[in-house]
Amino acid sequence: DAGVIQSPRHEVTEMGQEVTLRCKPISGHDYLFWYRQTMMRGLELLIYFNNNVPIDDSGMPEDRFSAKMPNASFSTLKIQPSEPRDSAVYFCASSSRQGQETQYFGPGTRLLVL
Amino acid sequence: SQQGEEDPQALSIQEGENATMNCSYKTSINNLQWYRQNSGRGLVHLILIRSNEREKHSGRLRVTLDTSKKSSSLLITASRAADTASYFCATDRDSGGSNYKLTFGKGTLLTVNP
Repeated sequence: DAGVIQSPRHEVTEMGQEVTLRCKPISGHDYLFWYRQTMMRGLELLIYFNNNVPIDDSGMPEDRFSAKMPNASFSTLKIQPSEPRDSAVYFCASSSRQGQETQYFGPGTRLLVL
Repeated sequence: SQQGEEDPQALSIQEGENATMNCSYKTSINNLQWYRQNSGRGLVHLILIRSNEREKHSGRLRVTLDTSKKSSSLLITASRAADTASYFCATDRDSGGSNYKLTFGKGTLLTVNP
């Protein structure tokens, strides 16, 4: 299996622009998680999906952030408009119902908002 | 709030020595996991220990869990330069049912010098 795939790997944008991060989970996994990692706050869970349905979005920082999962093999995290404080590494992870506790992480998207 | 917190924040040792990292958490848990993150990469699952277990081994890794003290330790024996990475503990919360949300600590940066 190719593992969790994220794109782009790096994104540099200007404040106010829309940013879309993409994730392809491991085939057959029922759960998908979006995390944000910064030096100050560590790794924070933003939102997670089960069978394409958002279950808990309490970690989404504000309305500028939105996430969708239109099908079992694709999810997006969108920031509109972006701000410099959104600069971070964004990770997508997936897990299966059978091995539900163990999460498999993608390589991350390093976002820099100028 | 941070559920798991690792100690120390940074650890530097010589190749061949043992490395011990600790994790403390605040609420009751179902299980505790340890993950490793190499620089610029995603997190990789190392080992999971359930709340009714006290010790677990996997290769050169040994994990202990003390639920009365709400703490865990990760021991890496006979360390190698390739073990250089950040190590995170992750906990779920015992909410009486299945809980797929993990809360990560800020990690211990381990440097193994050749």
